[in-house]
Amino acid sequence: GNSVTQMEGPVTLSEEAFLTINCTYTATGYPSLFWYVQYPGEGLQLLLKATKADDKGSNKGFEATYRKETTSFHLEKGSVQVSDSAVYFCALKPGTALIFGKGTTLSVSS
Amino acid sequence: DAGVIQSPRHEVTEMGQEVTLRCKPISGHDYLFWYRQTMMRGLELLIYFNNNVPIDDSGMPEDRFSAKMPNASFSTLKIQPSEPRDSAVYFCASRPSGAVDTGELFFGEGSRLTVL
Repeated sequence: GNSVTQMEGPVTLSEEAFLTINCTYTATGYPSLFWYVQYPGEGLQLLLKATKADDKGSNKGFEATYRKETTSFHLEKGSVQVSDSAVYFCALKPGTALIFGKGTTLSVSS
Repeated sequence: DAGVIQSPRHEVTEMGQEVTLRCKPISGHDYLFWYRQTMMRGLELLIYFNNNVPIDDSGMPEDRFSAKMPNASFSTLKIQPSEPRDSAVYFCASRPSGAVDTGELFFGEGSRLTVL
């Protein structure tokens, strides 16, 4: 079946640290991959996406590369800010609906 | 443009009571999704509609849950009777179809349900 596995949180970092949040997936076919972010008290917002192998999605300093050989879509940012504190969800779209990972909480302190 | 609108934002009720959550999707969006978010299980798809027709309700936990979409601008998720284990944040999301579909889901702010 289709599923997404994210690294367990919480992830706690100091401002300007490097961020990696691991995401691997299991899917039939070639799904599109997404990262969504949820700020406290809000709904999920699209952060970035990639639709085919080797595509790199990027937004607001975050990047993720669709790796078909390792079935991964790890989220990275070179220098995090306090305002990046949120819950991050990896998701895949094998058909119509999105299937989400459980989410990884990121807490950035100054 | 208005986003996805959900109501109520917060609901506290007692076990056994009926709960109705409401959603207004973005105008022009053909797809509507209901998700449930809990700490233990993360974000789970409950049901989704296309052009007001339920397409996949395999995620609906049991018969106590029902969802309707009487028209393109309104959907409800009903729990009757409610139980404490239904406590969660329920999200509604919508998406267009066709050429403008980028795959992105547009989420509402969620309805936080607490069943005592």
